[in-house]
Amino acid sequence: NAGVTQTPKFRVLKTGQSMTLLCAQDMNHEYMYWYRQDPGMGLRLIHYSVGEGTTAKGEVPDGYNVSRLKKQNFLLGLESAAPSQTSVYFCASSTGLNTEAFFGQGTRLTVV
Amino acid sequence: QQQVKQSPQSLIVQKGGIPIINCAYENTAFDYFPWYQQFPGKGPALLIAIRPDVSEKKEGRFTISFNKSAKQFSLHIMDSQPGDSATYFCAASRGTGFQKLVFGTGTRLLVSP
Repeated sequence: NAGVTQTPKFRVLKTGQSMTLLCAQDMNHEYMYWYRQDPGMGLRLIHYSVGEGTTAKGEVPDGYNVSRLKKQNFLLGLESAAPSQTSVYFCASSTGLNTEAFFGQGTRLTVV
Repeated sequence: QQQVKQSPQSLIVQKGGIPIINCAYENTAFDYFPWYQQFPGKGPALLIAIRPDVSEKKEGRFTISFNKSAKQFSLHIMDSQPGDSATYFCAASRGTGFQKLVFGTGTRLLVSP
């Protein structure tokens, strides 16, 4: 039982490049989330999904897109990376309302 | 807009001390208040959570105190150990509509031997 797995763990991008972060969970959770973590700002919600085929915007969605084609996967895309997107990205999943969220190990992204 | 305000930013205590981390929220619709613990290089993990129908919850050495009228809740760590050194995040969410955890800014705790 791997829980929540994020790929890749580290990445360096040049400004303007694109990339996709993959999140996979094996707990059959309905809800999935993408957060970014920046020093002094805690975790901020980028996008989330309440089920396969659904996505919604969080607090800081600009510059990101997501897709949830399969229940177990939640993809986060950066179409044109900017230095302001340098951050640690966390994916999480949960069974539903007001339940424990399980986090992945994070992806450290640097945009130069 | 910071919906959950957390303090202090950092905290240093000696082994055996009782660090206290405080959080305040604005949205009275919140009805679930978890605390997450994060070690360096790892994702956050649920430590303990409380719902507003109780004023206190204990799990081992960790206690949440909840004051609904003041819209505040706090984490106490009894007999703190060096292994408790981590970053702690409070959070809040509501049970209606889409579940969205809103996090505080985090408290970096160092427990010295």
